[in-house]
Amino acid sequence: KAGVTQTPRYLIKTRGQQVTLSCSPISGHRSVSWYQQTPGQGLQFLFEYFSETQRNKGNFPGRFSGRQFSNSRSEMNVSTLELGDSALYLCASSLASGSGTEAFFGQGTRLTVV
Amino acid sequence: AQSVAQPEDQVNVAEGNPLTVKCTYSVSGNPYLFWYVQYPNRGLQFLLKYITGDNLVKGSYGFEAEFNKSQTSFHLKKPSALVSDSALYFCAVRDMGGRGGNKLTFGTGTQLKVEL
Repeated sequence: KAGVTQTPRYLIKTRGQQVTLSCSPISGHRSVSWYQQTPGQGLQFLFEYFSETQRNKGNFPGRFSGRQFSNSRSEMNVSTLELGDSALYLCASSLASGSGTEAFFGQGTRLTVV
Repeated sequence: AQSVAQPEDQVNVAEGNPLTVKCTYSVSGNPYLFWYVQYPNRGLQFLLKYITGDNLVKGSYGFEAEFNKSQTSFHLKKPSALVSDSALYFCAVRDMGGRGGNKLTFGTGTQLKVEL
């Protein structure tokens, strides 16, 4: 069974640009969550999508957005990039939402903003 | 609001010795608790979880964790450490009764170093 796939693995962008990251969950999983990992702030929840609907959102500015498609694949978009957006962005997929099921993480996308 | 504390930034242990990585949590209701491990430049790997039932939970690679409701703790343990266990370990909590969906709140992580 294939794991969670995130593309691309590495990205370098310039301040002010926008970026789109992609996540393909484990087959059959309907919940996709996104996290930002930085040395200073640690792991922070961005948002969760379940059956194409945003289920929950973390404390991030509106520049961070996401969506989920009918095949459960998800994308997150960051507009008007800032230097502080440099981070490892992790996607996690789960079978269900709001239950005790564990989340399985992808290898992440390393975004560097210069 | 839910929170997790991992009081030790780093834990050092000799190979073959038992290891413990500490975690305490705070939720308004009953918790779902998880441990994840992260190797350099990789995502998080699931180790084990506590949902309900037995307080001692067994997981992958010989790891186990003990849930203690009165102390609101969920410490990760392994009877005999291996050098290959050296990695960054995260404890996470989800409120069982909350409306947070699958939102996980993570601790700050504990770097485990196992030396020969």
